[in-house]
Amino acid sequence: NAGVTQTPKFRILKIGQSMTLQCTQDMNHNYMYWYRQDPGMGLKLIYYSVGAGITDKGEVPNGYNVSRSTTEDFPLRLELAAPSQTSVYFCASRDRALSSYNEQFFGPGTRLTVL
Amino acid sequence: AQSVTQPDIHITVSEGASLELRCNYSYGATPYLFWYVQSPGQGLQLLLKYFSGDTLVQGIKGFEAEFKRSQSSFNLRKPSVHWSDAAEYFCAVGALDGGFKTIFGAGTRLFVKA
Repeated sequence: NAGVTQTPKFRILKIGQSMTLQCTQDMNHNYMYWYRQDPGMGLKLIYYSVGAGITDKGEVPNGYNVSRSTTEDFPLRLELAAPSQTSVYFCASRDRALSSYNEQFFGPGTRLTVL
Repeated sequence: AQSVTQPDIHITVSEGASLELRCNYSYGATPYLFWYVQSPGQGLQLLLKYFSGDTLVQGIKGFEAEFKRSQSSFNLRKPSVHWSDAAEYFCAVGALDGGFKTIFGAGTRLFVKA
């Protein structure tokens, strides 16, 4: 199993450009999450999904959009990039089993700079 | 609202010395608690987790954590630190609302000196 994979690893955008951060997991997990990590701030939840076709906002959704057409993929879209979106973005997934509140599995991250 | 506080932004310990990283949480019910580690340039990896039962839980890489309900704490410990333990450590609490979201603390960066 590859686990959770993210592409690209690095990206530099100009203000106003758009891009999609890709996330794929091969563990058949129903729950998927997008976080951003800023220095000294921990991880903040942007969007999450509890299954294909179902998404919901997290703590910091403004400026982002997501879709979940398949169980495996959960892309994050930035429509009009702003300097405030400079961050490291992590995708994560977890199993839906309730019996043992399962851990989240994280991808390696995408480092995005908006200039 | 659920929250997690890690009071120490960074800690420096000597190799071979003991380590304790502090974590306090705020949660209305029995918490699901986690410690994750993030090595430079990497994603987060689970060290250990607590749901119920024995309040002292063992994790990978020789780490352990103790849940103290009276103090709302879940401190991470290691008896002897190795240089490879230098990383950022995140305490987290699991929320049982829709999506089973996880609330992360701000993290504690561990430096290990020779």
